[in-house]
Amino acid sequence: AQKVTQAQTEISVVEKEDVTLDCVYETRDTTYYLFWYKQPPSGELVFLIRRNSFDEQNEISGRYSWNFQKSTSSFNFTITASQVVDSAVYFCALTLPLISNFGNEKLTFGTGTRLTIIP
Amino acid sequence: GAVVSQHPSRVICKSGTSVKIECRSLDFQATTMFWYRQFPKKSLMLMATSNEGSKATYEQGVEKDKFLINHASLTLSTLTVTSAHPEDSSFYICSARSGTADTQYFGPGTRLTVL
Repeated sequence: AQKVTQAQTEISVVEKEDVTLDCVYETRDTTYYLFWYKQPPSGELVFLIRRNSFDEQNEISGRYSWNFQKSTSSFNFTITASQVVDSAVYFCALTLPLISNFGNEKLTFGTGTRLTIIP
Repeated sequence: GAVVSQHPSRVICKSGTSVKIECRSLDFQATTMFWYRQFPKKSLMLMATSNEGSKATYEQGVEKDKFLINHASLTLSTLTVTSAHPEDSSFYICSARSGTADTQYFGPGTRLTVL
C-alpha cells in the first residue's frame, strides 16, 4: 500500500519569507506519480504539479519550486517570497500509473499542511 | 483546460430527504470520476470510483445504497445522498480523469448541510 506523510500540520510565516512544505512517501512500486494540490479557503483543489518517478529533475514555476529526491522518498515544495494569497492547505499525493500490476490508480493523499502567510 | 464543475456548491436539506450532486467535466471527456468526502480540517477520503457506463466501485465502509453514483456519460457523474441525516453533512468533492491520464482534476466541491 502507498502512504504519504506531511508531518507539518500548520505553518505560519511572515509575508515575503520563503517556506518549504515537506512530503515523504512510501510505495513498493518503482513507477509512480507524485502531485501537489492547493486548497484555498474556497475549497477547490487546484492542481499544481505532477512528477513521475523517473524524473528527478527539480522544477521551478515562478515562485514555486519542487525538490524530488528518490533517495529519501521526498517531494518537497518551496514557496519563495510568500504572499498572502499563498495561504491555503497544501496536499501532497501519490498514485500508481494505470498500467501498474497492482491495478491501483487511486490518489493517496497526505493529511495536508495548512499554510498561513501573515501580512 | 481540464475544468471540472460541481452543482450545487451549497445545499441545505432536511433530514430524510435525498440530495443529488452533479459533477461535470467541461472541456474533456472523463472516463473515470472519483467522489471524495472531506471533514473539517481533514484530508480527502475517497468514497468511490466510477467509470463511464459501468457500476461504481465503492471504498470499504461506504454504503452503496446510501451514496448512489451514476456515471451515465463521459462528462457527467452524479452522487445522490439518499435519506440524508445530519451525520452526512460534509464537503463532497469530485474529480475527473480522462483516458489513461494520471492527473485528477477536481471540482470546486459541494457543502452539504443536513438539518
